[in-house]
Amino acid sequence: KQEVTQIPAALSVPEGENLVLNCSFTDSAIYNLQWFRQDPGKGLTSLLLIQSSQREQTSGRLNASLDKSSGRSTLYIAASQPGDSATYLCAVRRGETSGSRLTFGEGTQLTVNP
Amino acid sequence: ETGVTQTPRHLVMGMTNKKSLKCEQHLGHNAMYWYKQSAKKPLELMFVYSLEERVENNSVPSRFSPECPNSSHLFLHLHTLQPEDSALYLCASSQYLAGRQETQYFGPGTRLLVL
Repeated sequence: KQEVTQIPAALSVPEGENLVLNCSFTDSAIYNLQWFRQDPGKGLTSLLLIQSSQREQTSGRLNASLDKSSGRSTLYIAASQPGDSATYLCAVRRGETSGSRLTFGEGTQLTVNP
Repeated sequence: ETGVTQTPRHLVMGMTNKKSLKCEQHLGHNAMYWYKQSAKKPLELMFVYSLEERVENNSVPSRFSPECPNSSHLFLHLHTLQPEDSALYLCASSQYLAGRQETQYFGPGTRLLVL
């Protein structure tokens, strides 16, 4: 059974700092990995999706890496801003079909202080 | 309206009530999902409806009953719920093309409280 762990559970940083969120998964046979953002009481917004054949994806100040063999992914946020405060979720997909479920971690709650 | 919408946004119900959650996607996707998000727990997939298959999480109690009348609408029918069913219920949709699974787009969720 796939298990996804995110460390740290919570993180508080001053504005402008660069930071790294970590995600690890127990079964390396994945189809892809996604990072989501969730604001309090809201749904999820997809940030980055990395296919199993890829090593990293970038979008603006965000960079996500994937090391499938070691079961790890990191989300790097550059020059953090108060608007980045949210819970960040990592999820791995087992297979290609819609029924192949996403397994989520519990998330890292990020607070960026002005 | 665009994206994925869910109604109601908040729901309080007694254990003997029957209610339904509604989800609608305006993205032309061919797969829809129900997730449950409880406090301090990872998101849990409940049901998937897609062109190629329907998948159920076998651990979901029968007091939750999904219905997908077409590719744009998804319902979750609730009856005789328990207080531990209180959670945020999220709907999502995605587009599956042969050989490629696109990202899932999530609705804002329905916050359910069972008294």
